Amino acid sequence: GQQVMQIPQYQHVQEGEDFTTYCNSSTTLSNIQWYKQRPGGHPVFLIQLVKSGEVKKQKRLTFQFGEAKKNSSLHITATQTTDVGTYFCAESSYSGAGSYQLTFGKGTKLSVIP
Amino acid sequence: EADIYQTPRYLVIGTGKKITLECSQTMGHDKMYWYQQDPGMELHLIHYSYGVNSTEKGDLSSESTVSRIRTEHFPLTLESARPSHTSQYLCASSETLGALSGYTFGSGTRLTVV
Repeated sequence: GQQVMQIPQYQHVQEGEDFTTYCNSSTTLSNIQWYKQRPGGHPVFLIQLVKSGEVKKQKRLTFQFGEAKKNSSLHITATQTTDVGTYFCAESSYSGAGSYQLTFGKGTKLSVIP
Repeated sequence: EADIYQTPRYLVIGTGKKITLECSQTMGHDKMYWYQQDPGMELHLIHYSYGVNSTEKGDLSSESTVSRIRTEHFPLTLESARPSHTSQYLCASSETLGALSGYTFGSGTRLTVV
């Protein structure tokens, strides 16, 4: 699959500050998924974006898919200590027989200072 | 409750031993996956299956093997464990063909080979 680049690799924020992580690709993405992995835990699916320019919100989390479908972002408003973890984007590529594979970015590790 | 289960959660084993990591899901998903993840690092796909009797190797070369005799069961086997196999192994599943859906991950098996 394609490789999506995630930036930044690490982010330390004061509690209450906003946080954004970006996912970029050199080629057009069919769709993008976002996952959160708490320290010591497993990835948990957050959302999938499919349409060009799509914006979806989940409480303090805002997900965006670029107009050209080559980038995506996850923005957290007013971070809380419960937001700590690594956020992964993942892009799907068609692998034949009507099926898709997910390739994960390297993730952005978020630390929140109380 | 529909879920995906991995056992054991932690395993410490000596070099040269044969081990099988278990993964079972009760969601009726046809697609199942094994990812390898070192602490704080990205996820690498090592095996996947689109259904019974279907197994494929992923992007990351692995000395492990998998089998899919039943829809709900996707065990991973290492014939001769080595210290380089020390890592976390995550099993995941997703819905069948059609719209791509998010992956559901198990809690993982943390393997240490001494």
